[in-house]
Amino acid sequence: GENVEQHPSTLSVQEGDSAVIKCTYSDSASNYFPWYKQELGKGPQLIIDIRSNVGEKKDQRIAVTLNKTAKHFSLHITETQPEDSAVYFCAARVRGSQGNLIFGKGTKLSVKP
Amino acid sequence: DAGVIQSPRHEVTEMGQEVTLRCKPISGHDYLFWYRQTMMRGLELLIYFNNNVPIDDSGMPEDRFSAKMPNASFSTLKIQPSEPRDSAVYFCASSANRGSEAFFGQGTRLTVV
Repeated sequence: GENVEQHPSTLSVQEGDSAVIKCTYSDSASNYFPWYKQELGKGPQLIIDIRSNVGEKKDQRIAVTLNKTAKHFSLHITETQPEDSAVYFCAARVRGSQGNLIFGKGTKLSVKP
Repeated sequence: DAGVIQSPRHEVTEMGQEVTLRCKPISGHDYLFWYRQTMMRGLELLIYFNNNVPIDDSGMPEDRFSAKMPNASFSTLKIQPSEPRDSAVYFCASSANRGSEAFFGQGTRLTVV
């Protein structure tokens, strides 16, 4: 089955710096890669996603890149702000599956003012 | 729509007791997922339903866990008897169809003492 590895597990940056979180997946049949943000005491919330037919997607300060050959994808946050502090999860969905997502272990991002 | 609604938000119970967690998915969503979140194992998929039918319960840890979806607007996850190692945050999520975004509830924090 699919396996998703995520690193780093913790990341601390200064406000205004960029943050990068990386994930690798094992199943080449995976074709959907969302990123979720989880704030303390809340459920994960989708912030951006990418499908296997594109290599990059951007939404304001957030971007995701996908390298299908290497089977890895990354989340980039620019001009970080204290409110970006949260746990971020990557996930992968295998093509043809019924919809279930396999999640990485999460990255705790701390943005210091 | 109010989003995915879970109850209770917090549950503390004694070992050996039965615990029932409840979920109301977003109206019109065909898929419902139950996840368990722990520090050690991250977000694990326990079971998911499509049109009220359980599709994959391979993530259910053991026979003490059971899940039902009697109708499109309600699902339960039951643990009987509960054990301290079941302590975790349990999330319910729903999505409109196989390829769409999964929306998470706020979660139920379960503590078994």
